[in-house]
Formats: sequence, structure tokens, C-alpha cells
Amino acid sequence: ELKVEQNPLFLSMQEEKNYTIYCNYSTTSDRLYWYRQDPGKSLESLFVLLSNGAVKQEGRLMASLDTKARLSTLHITAAVHDLSATYFCAVDRPGGTSYGKLTFGQGTILTVHP
Amino acid sequence: DTEVTQTPKHLVMGMTNKKSLKCEQHMGHRAMYWYKQKAKKPPELMFVYSYEKLSINESVPSRFSPECPNSSLLNLHLHALQPEDSALYLCASSQEGQGTSYEQYFGPGTRLTVT
Repeated sequence: ELKVEQNPLFLSMQEEKNYTIYCNYSTTSDRLYWYRQDPGKSLESLFVLLSNGAVKQEGRLMASLDTKARLSTLHITAAVHDLSATYFCAVDRPGGTSYGKLTFGQGTILTVHP
Repeated sequence: DTEVTQTPKHLVMGMTNKKSLKCEQHMGHRAMYWYKQKAKKPPELMFVYSYEKLSINESVPSRFSPECPNSSLLNLHLHALQPEDSALYLCASSQEGQGTSYEQYFGPGTRLTVT
């Protein structure tokens, strides 16, 4: 059974500081996604990582994937209040003959303080 | 258009009622998904449709019945639900097939309360 573990689960950051969220998973996969969810809202796709060594950046967020270590990271640079949200990683495991069968991590609740 | 729409936004139903949730996308995606999300928990996959055929059922109780009438629409029929079924129900869609990313686009969800 695939297990996806994020840490930390709660992250309280000061503005302008840097931090990293980690996502570990238990079985082989080369597809990993990061999503953002604001309270009471749906999930917004942030990054799609499809191969070992993949690195994607958007604004103050950068995500990477190491399939050999079964580890993805989401790095936050110079945090701002607007980044406060819950962040999920999700690992894709083939279901039958196709992909799309996502298992989500527990989520990291990020709060950015002045 | 990268939008997935869901109706209704909120639904309150009794345990003996029958209701349906609807989901629609016009991105030409051929895979559609239903997820259940309880408060402060991650989404849990319920069903996957691929080219309008049910390809994955994650051992969901039969009181939840999915339907895919065409490539743009996905329904979830509800009958004899329990209070513990109260949750946010999310629909998603993605491209399907070799060479695609399978990136899933989520709708806004239906918040269901079972009384």
C-alpha cells in the first residue's frame, strides 16, 4: 500500500524567511504533484513533477523530485502572507493500465506571520 | 477554459433521500474523478472514469453510485447516506493517455451534510 508522508504538518513562518516542506512516499513512482488549498476552497495545482531530478519554480515556490530517495520538496523563499494555505503533495500510482490514481499526503498547514 | 464546475455548492439531505451531484468540464479531458474530503484531511479517491468507463472504484459503499453520461459530465448519485458521509465532494478531470501529465484540475466541490 502506498503511503505518502509530509512534514512538517504545521508550519508557522515569519515573512521573508525561507523554509522547506518534505514529502516522502513508500513505493516507486515517477509522478508527483503539489496542490494548494485555501480554507473552504478547492485544490489548485501548483507543480507537476514527472521525472527524477525534475525542478519547477513559480514565484516564491520551488518544487523538486528525487525518485531514488522517494522524496519531493517544496521550498518557500521569502515567505509572504499570501502563501498561507494548506499544501498537499500527491503521488500518482498506476491503476490498471493508466495513471491518475492519486494518493495525497496529510497536508502541511502553512501560516505566514508579519 | 480550464474550469471544472460542480453543482450544487451545498447540499443538505436526510438519510432516506436520494440526490445527485453533478460535475462538468469542457477541456476535452477523457479522465474524470470523484474524491471525498473530510475536514482537515486530504482528499480520498473514490472513483475514476476513463473514456466514460468506470476504471477504478476504491471500494466505495454502494450508496454512492457514479455515472458518466458523456465525456463532459460526471454524476454521483446518493442514496441512503449516513451522517459520516458528510464531507466536501470534489470532482476533477485530466488528460488521459501516453505522454500526458495526468495533471488533475479540481472543481470547487459540493459540501454535503447528511442529517
